[in-house]
Amino acid sequence: SYVLTQPPSVSVAPGQTATITCGGNNIGSKSVHWYRQKPGQAPVLVVYDDSDRPSGIPERFSGSNSGNTATLTISRVEAGDEADYYCQVWDTRSDHVVFGGGTKLTVL
Amino acid sequence: QVQLVQSGSELKKTGASVKVSCKASGYTFTGYAMNWVRQAPGQGLEWMGWINTNTGNPTYAQGFTGRFVFSLDTSVSTAYLQISSLKAEDTAVYYCARDRRVVPPLLWFDPWGQGTLVTVSS
Repeated sequence: SYVLTQPPSVSVAPGQTATITCGGNNIGSKSVHWYRQKPGQAPVLVVYDDSDRPSGIPERFSGSNSGNTATLTISRVEAGDEADYYCQVWDTRSDHVVFGGGTKLTVL
Repeated sequence: QVQLVQSGSELKKTGASVKVSCKASGYTFTGYAMNWVRQAPGQGLEWMGWINTNTGNPTYAQGFTGRFVFSLDTSVSTAYLQISSLKAEDTAVYYCARDRRVVPPLLWFDPWGQGTLVTVSS
């Protein structure tokens, strides 16, 4: 089955840029979606179709996808961005949804 | 506004059954697929499968066949997840999440329900 690999944790100082990666075999050929989950809350969509933002999501959140790596970039990180972030794709071979293992973003 | 409201927390004994509801509002229920996602304590998100809200046909991910049943009541715009023969390892938060499409390829999930904690204890 298709596997998405995320780093377990990423740390960044306030005001800096956080980069969270999502690795998968030829992931660049798939549409990647990203979710933010704060403690005790449901996940929230922050980027869809690799790089589009839903309404209400700040422009500080951006995404890219090429080759074997998709990336979620959070610019000018704020304390409120501290959360778990998950990537997700649709695997056409299995006709199943796949989630990455999640990355805990810590704002120092 | 578009929202999904799930039923409240459940405490069940091992071997019992539980039925979680997910009531949709603010959109045409049959226009979008509904997904179910499990999150065990301290763990990541795990896709359980989805249900076609037009036909009622469910698709289950590996590991979620047999004891797990997705169903609908379109008259009240509600999706259901039933789990039978509960085990301790079924303890988790269960989320419903609306898909962008009604049929595969499934896309992104938005919105999500608030989650339902199911605790299984002997």
